[in-house]
Amino acid sequence: GQQVMQIPQYQHVQEGEDFTTYCNSSTTLSNIQWYKQRPGGHPVFLIQLVKSGEVKKQKRLTFQFGEAKKNSSLHITATQTTDVGTYFCAGISNFGNEKLTFGTGTRLTIIP
Amino acid sequence: EPEVTQTPSHQVTQMGQEVILRCVPISNHLYFYWYRQILGQKVEFLVSFYNNEISEKSEIFDDQFSVERPDGSNFTLKIRSTKLEDSAMYFCASTRNGIHEQFFGPGTRLTVL
Repeated sequence: GQQVMQIPQYQHVQEGEDFTTYCNSSTTLSNIQWYKQRPGGHPVFLIQLVKSGEVKKQKRLTFQFGEAKKNSSLHITATQTTDVGTYFCAGISNFGNEKLTFGTGTRLTIIP
Repeated sequence: EPEVTQTPSHQVTQMGQEVILRCVPISNHLYFYWYRQILGQKVEFLVSFYNNEISEKSEIFDDQFSVERPDGSNFTLKIRSTKLEDSAMYFCASTRNGIHEQFFGPGTRLTVL
């Protein structure tokens, strides 16, 4: 079945440093979504990417979808303590099939 | 802002007992989902539901699981005979049209003893 892996599994950064998590799917995706889960919380939607090579920005967050639509990345510039949480990518393989396959997640902790 | 709600927040049950987890999706949403997350692990898809029937289910969603939309607002997940390995956080989610962001509820923590 489809597998979605993320690296790294954990990342500890000093406040103000940048952070990147990488997402790789075993199959081509029709679109990819990113979610953030705070400790003890539920996944909260961040963004959706649909087009090959697409790049989207949300303030300090930059999301990218690979040309082959099998990988994606999330980059946070100048991390803040509010960025703490686990970041999951989640892929949809086929339009019309709304099943989300979540990645393994990257847990970000910030050292003040 | 509309949100997905789930009850109870925590359910403790004995192995072999039946449990029903309840969700109220966002009112104008048409697609509903159940996911589970074992502590510290990734979110796993269980089932999707549209137009009063299951549209897709994972290999986790075996005969012990069932879903129902008994009225116009509730969406339930039933586990007929719980096992120890069913202990997890169960999230309900909904979306308007199936291809956009999914809105997750706060989850029900199920503990099977």
